[in-house]
Amino acid sequence: DQQVKQNSPSLSVQEGRISILNCDYTNSMFDYFLWYKKYPAEGPTFLISISSIKDKNEDGRFTVFLNKSAKHLSLHIVPSQPGDSAVYFCAASDRGSGTYKYIFGTGTRLKVLA
Amino acid sequence: DTGVSQNPRHKITKRGQNVTFRCDPISEHNRLYWYRQTLGQGPEFLTYFQNEAQLEKSRLLSDRFSAERPKGSFSTLEIQRTEQGDSAMYLCASSATGNTIYFGEGSWLTVV
Repeated sequence: DQQVKQNSPSLSVQEGRISILNCDYTNSMFDYFLWYKKYPAEGPTFLISISSIKDKNEDGRFTVFLNKSAKHLSLHIVPSQPGDSAVYFCAASDRGSGTYKYIFGTGTRLKVLA
Repeated sequence: DTGVSQNPRHKITKRGQNVTFRCDPISEHNRLYWYRQTLGQGPEFLTYFQNEAQLEKSRLLSDRFSAERPKGSFSTLEIQRTEQGDSAMYLCASSATGNTIYFGEGSWLTVV
């Protein structure tokens, strides 16, 4: 049972435009979320996080939105740059249960076209 | 401040052999995680430690897999009697008392 889902395997966006990457989850107890970027043959690099007590967090060009009622989060990248081309993963954790384990989605491959 | 370090980066082994991967976390990070990633999938949780205690272990981790973190510093992940299905990237991550986990570069395992 996939608790964290990224239903779009790939996304192409023109340079300078907004990229929106989506993530859905099924466990309503998840209370902390992370986004990572991954280049081929490298480990994932942390981008941005959000706690369930917030509905938005912003860091430079990256903004994450959380809709708890819909169990949905999204990562916005504005403006998109060719260097943003990578696979993006969302991850979720149920810290309230005492675990610090993160469950990852299957990823979305973003291609930013110059 | 160095990041999470993993060795070896690449390992090719024959089916049935044992392999061991080492992870050195970011200094003073008390939590250490092992994940596995195969092509087209997200990182899959294997196990995690808080200091030297192994707090959680995935049901996916068969008896052939064992992880240790002696003295709460570096960790090793051993796979015994490797099978072709074990071919994957093995990722180590660490975190401090905060919530963000930081990954190493990964160790590629190919079982032939």
